[in-house]
Amino acid sequence: GQNIDQPTEMTATEGAIVQINCTYQTSGFNGLFWYQQHAGEAPTFLSYNVLDGLEEKGRFSSFLSRSKGYSYLLLKELQMKDSASYLCAVCDSNYQLIWGAGTKLIIKP
Amino acid sequence: DADVTQTPRNRITKTGKRIMLECSQTKGHDRMYWYRQDPGLGLRLIYYSFDVKDINKGEISDGYSVSRQAQAKFSLSLESAIPNQTALYFCATSDFGRSTGELFFGEGSRLTVL
Repeated sequence: GQNIDQPTEMTATEGAIVQINCTYQTSGFNGLFWYQQHAGEAPTFLSYNVLDGLEEKGRFSSFLSRSKGYSYLLLKELQMKDSASYLCAVCDSNYQLIWGAGTKLIIKP
Repeated sequence: DADVTQTPRNRITKTGKRIMLECSQTKGHDRMYWYRQDPGLGLRLIYYSFDVKDINKGEISDGYSVSRQAQAKFSLSLESAIPNQTALYFCATSDFGRSTGELFFGEGSRLTVL
C-alpha cells in the first residue's frame, strides 16, 4: 500500500530552527509537496521537490532524497505565525496526491 | 475575493438530509477536486474532474456524488447525510500542465451531521 509518515506534533522555540521529516512509500513518484495549514483554514502551497537536493525559499527549505523515500521541511528563524500544521504529499505514478496526516508545529516564546 | 470559493462555509444538518456543497473558481484551471479532512487523518480525495466531461471517483466516493456544471463550478452532494460524514470539506483546483501542479484550496466547508 501507499503510505506517508510524518510526526504528529513538534514543539520549537521562537527564533530557532526546526526540521519536519516525511518518509514515503508510494507506487511511483512524480514529486513531493509541502503545504502549510493554519487551524481552521485551507492548506497553502509551500514547496515542490521532484529532484534530489535542497530547495530554498526564504526562511523555508525543503529537501528530497528519492532513493531513501525521504524529505524534510526546514524552517529557520521561527516566528509565532509559523504555528500551523505542515502537510507532506507525494504525487504517485498516476499523478494522484497521497497525503500525510500532517505535523502540528507549536511555537513557544 | 478568493480565487476558489466554497458555499456554505458552515452547515449543520440532520441524518438523512440531502446536502450540496458548491465550489466556484476564477483561476481558469481545468482540474477540480473535492477532499475531506478529519482530525488525525490526511486529506482524502472524494472526487476529481479534469474537465467538464471528465468525472472520476477518489478513494472515498461512496455516499457522495458530484456535478461539474461548467469549467468554473464543481459541486459535491451528499444524497442522504450520515453522522460519519461530519468533516471539513475542501474544494481545490490545479493547472498541472503549466505549473508544478500545486493545488489551490477553497476556504473549506465545515459540515456537521446530527
